[in-house]
Amino acid sequence: DIQMTQSPSSMSASVGDRVTITCRASQDISSSLAWYQQKPGKAPNLLIYTASILQSGVPSRFSGSGSGTDFTLTISSLQSEDFATYYCQQANSFPITFGQGTRLEIK
Amino acid sequence: EVQLVESGGGLVKPGGSLRLSCAASGFTFSIYNMDWVRQAPGKGPEWVSSIGITGSPVYHADSVKGRFTMSRDNAKNSLYLQMNSLRGEDTAVYYCARVTDGLHYSDVWGKGTTVTVSS
Repeated sequence: DIQMTQSPSSMSASVGDRVTITCRASQDISSSLAWYQQKPGKAPNLLIYTASILQSGVPSRFSGSGSGTDFTLTISSLQSEDFATYYCQQANSFPITFGQGTRLEIK
Repeated sequence: EVQLVESGGGLVKPGGSLRLSCAASGFTFSIYNMDWVRQAPGKGPEWVSSIGITGSPVYHADSVKGRFTMSRDNAKNSLYLQMNSLRGEDTAVYYCARVTDGLHYSDVWGKGTTVTVSS
């Protein structure tokens, strides 16, 4: 199975900050990576797929990069609605696996 | 409006069974692969099962293989998860999710249904 490791597990930041979350795969997954945002009591919401393609309707302050084993999610200027938990997910092979999550909190 | 609505969750004793359903609307259900994904309290999402557009292939996570069966009825725009021999570690919110065309990302999710396995 492909293990997905996110860092940090949690972080605090302020509105307007630039934030970067990283995700590392245990083996090469090419660009088969997605990022999801999840708020308490809600289902995950797809933000980015194929490592860098913004899902329709997602604000352009979100961006993704990387390939192979190392990936990043960047939020260019944090808004209040961005405080949530973020998960990466590999889509390269079954079983589909998720990272453990990065909880983004208000400083 | 594109929508997925899960049902069938509840409280069940260890060793018991439940059948989850997911009703799809607002899109052509029969042309999408579908997933079940679960999330235990305080944990991240865990992929459970995937099914192809015709009902095959079906893939299951090792943690549920031999106990859970995923199926679909395209005529009824519905997805199912038959869960047998339930264990405490199966306690979670279960989501059905639509898989993007050609790539295994979930672009539409239901609100989830809660399964609690406890004596």
